[in-house]
Amino acid sequence: DTAVSQTPKYLVTQMGNDKSIKCEQNLGHDTMYWYKQDSKKFLKIMFSYNNKELIINETVPNRFSPKSPDKAHLNLHINSLELGDSAVYFCASSQNTDNSPLHFGNGTRLTVT
Amino acid sequence: KQEVTQIPAALSVPEGENLVLNCSFTDSAIYNLQWFRQDPGKGLTSLLLIQSSQREQTSGRLNASLDKSSGRSTLYIAASQPGDSATYLCAPQAGSSNTGKLIFGQGTTLQVKP
Repeated sequence: DTAVSQTPKYLVTQMGNDKSIKCEQNLGHDTMYWYKQDSKKFLKIMFSYNNKELIINETVPNRFSPKSPDKAHLNLHINSLELGDSAVYFCASSQNTDNSPLHFGNGTRLTVT
Repeated sequence: KQEVTQIPAALSVPEGENLVLNCSFTDSAIYNLQWFRQDPGKGLTSLLLIQSSQREQTSGRLNASLDKSSGRSTLYIAASQPGDSATYLCAPQAGSSNTGKLIFGQGTTLQVKP
């Protein structure tokens, strides 16, 4: 049973295209996140949603639009893809209680050509 | 702005050795600190979470300590095994409340040789 699952695992697309990455968690967690890992392996938070409401937006370009249809899902839509968007995108979730650890998906490797 | 540094960047040891991974952070106002491991092509697996009021946490052969005032945490791995080979990431959670906003270091890549 995969706790946090992301699809697709790999995504190769051309500049200017629009693409989406889906994320689902079956842990019953209240909070979900998107993190980006760049080519230098730095992981940085992009968004955080709690019970379908946005609580963190880390100055991400508005080409990136997260959507949470329910608290088990947090999808990431990216418009007008750029070369610099190439990275690994990780979805994560946590129980919205004090000091609960984050659970990560296996990542989506996005390559923009 | 919180900055996290992990030393060493890479480490190669023979099986059975005890080892220490170091993490330092610039802003001591953290909510908690988490240690993760990342295997190639995989997501992150949570290893230990230390609350800001705690000094250490233990899980099996792993022990993590936290000295918030000096901005340091260490991960001690006892009797290392080849299966411990992975990248280890330290991530303090920013702020005084449970935001889930983790600030990651670049990690220490560990190789344990049989």
